[in-house]
Amino acid sequence: RKEVEQDPGPFNVPEGATVAFNCTYSNSASQSFFWYRQDCRKEPKLLMSVYSSGNEDGRFTAQLNRASQYISLLIRDSKLSDSATYLCAVNKGTGFQKLVFGTGTRLLVSP
Amino acid sequence: GAVVSQHPSRVICKSGTSVKIECRSLDFQATTMFWYRQFPKQSLMLMATSNEGSKATYEQGVEKDKFLINHASLTLSTLTVTSAHPEDSSFYICSARGLTDSNQPQHFGDGTRLSIL
Repeated sequence: RKEVEQDPGPFNVPEGATVAFNCTYSNSASQSFFWYRQDCRKEPKLLMSVYSSGNEDGRFTAQLNRASQYISLLIRDSKLSDSATYLCAVNKGTGFQKLVFGTGTRLLVSP
Repeated sequence: GAVVSQHPSRVICKSGTSVKIECRSLDFQATTMFWYRQFPKQSLMLMATSNEGSKATYEQGVEKDKFLINHASLTLSTLTVTSAHPEDSSFYICSARGLTDSNQPQHFGDGTRLSIL
């Protein structure tokens, strides 16, 4: 089983739609979770950290389910500019912060 | 916000050439820098972790003699791909983390696209 797994997609949605991605992780000792956005041929950019209580940043909501070992990202009112690949990242355990990335979920928002 | 600069952004060279990539933290001191490689349509794969003033820690399967890492200061780490071959062509990305809270995310450089002919 991969350490971090994501559905590669692509998710094709119209503008204004709500879309959700999940990411599962295998290491129950993981403490830190992040969502990154990566545009084609560019570096990943941090979208948001994921907190235990869930957190929201504008149209984006991230949640953590420790019992089932997954994190989710919800995007409301999708914009064309949201088209990108969304990577989840999980630290490898307590202490030292080595991140393991999922393969990413590709989102395509169409007019 | 924290800024990480990576140079060069693009390299095209002949097989057998050694290529050096620099990663600099511009506005913070990076105790730890990470080097990743990303092949097309694949995820970022951690190659090695670089701590200032000590030897890098390489991930399983990554040849330390081929991918030389130096982290001589708190703002600079370098990755040298020695005797590069076409299979080394990839997107190499560094990231850095500062002295503060270990739960803070890593800040990424803008990557180096390496093409070996």
